[in-house]
Amino acid sequence: QMQLVQSGSELKKPGASVKVSCKASGYTFNIYAMNWVRQAPGQGFEWMGWIDTNTGNPTYVQGFTGRFVFSLDTSVNTAYLQISSLKAEDTAVYYCARNVPMDVWGKGTAVTVSS
Amino acid sequence: DIVMTQSPDSLAVSLGERATINCKSSQTILYSSNNKNCLAWYQQKPGQPPKLLIYWASTRESGVPDRFSGSGSGTDFTLTISSLQADDVAVYYCQQHYSSPHTFGQGTKLEVK
Repeated sequence: QMQLVQSGSELKKPGASVKVSCKASGYTFNIYAMNWVRQAPGQGFEWMGWIDTNTGNPTYVQGFTGRFVFSLDTSVNTAYLQISSLKAEDTAVYYCARNVPMDVWGKGTAVTVSS
Repeated sequence: DIVMTQSPDSLAVSLGERATINCKSSQTILYSSNNKNCLAWYQQKPGQPPKLLIYWASTRESGVPDRFSGSGSGTDFTLTISSLQADDVAVYYCQQHYSSPHTFGQGTKLEVK
């Protein structure tokens, strides 16, 4: 069964960093791109970009450059999203999702930024 | 960026009746290589991640009930639920998978009347 298992909720202070993990199972990890999608509270979806799971090359959408880093550990079939210098407006649920269109989604990781 | 605009923002339909959700793209999303439109529909229930329902505008994802259908071409697309079930209460999103960034519509909340 194909699935993406994400790490648990995070509560962080402004200025801190967070690293969200997304572990894939049930399929060949390096065949499909991995996307990251943000959903702010009560809002729709923002596609943040994607990482080529074969080469490790990330692509960031405008608005998600600089503080956002996509990475991989192919030895454990896991993708990561790291956000640095957290701001209150980063409070959201972050999803990993396979492929385009996005056919397998993680359950989401809620990141709350509050002092 | 391609802007995706859904209508209506919310919709209430009686059980067993037809529900129709529209999605308009700001430019054509036709992929010339296969002459298919790069439009996907997702369903999101409260507290859950989205679920892919339809892609290439009209191809139903495996396991999706056949009461869900997608249609349209060019810049205007429609998701139709032929006979609304209680389990279909959700927010529905369209997304273009034609070009980066793969933008989403703002969502349509579907409720039972």
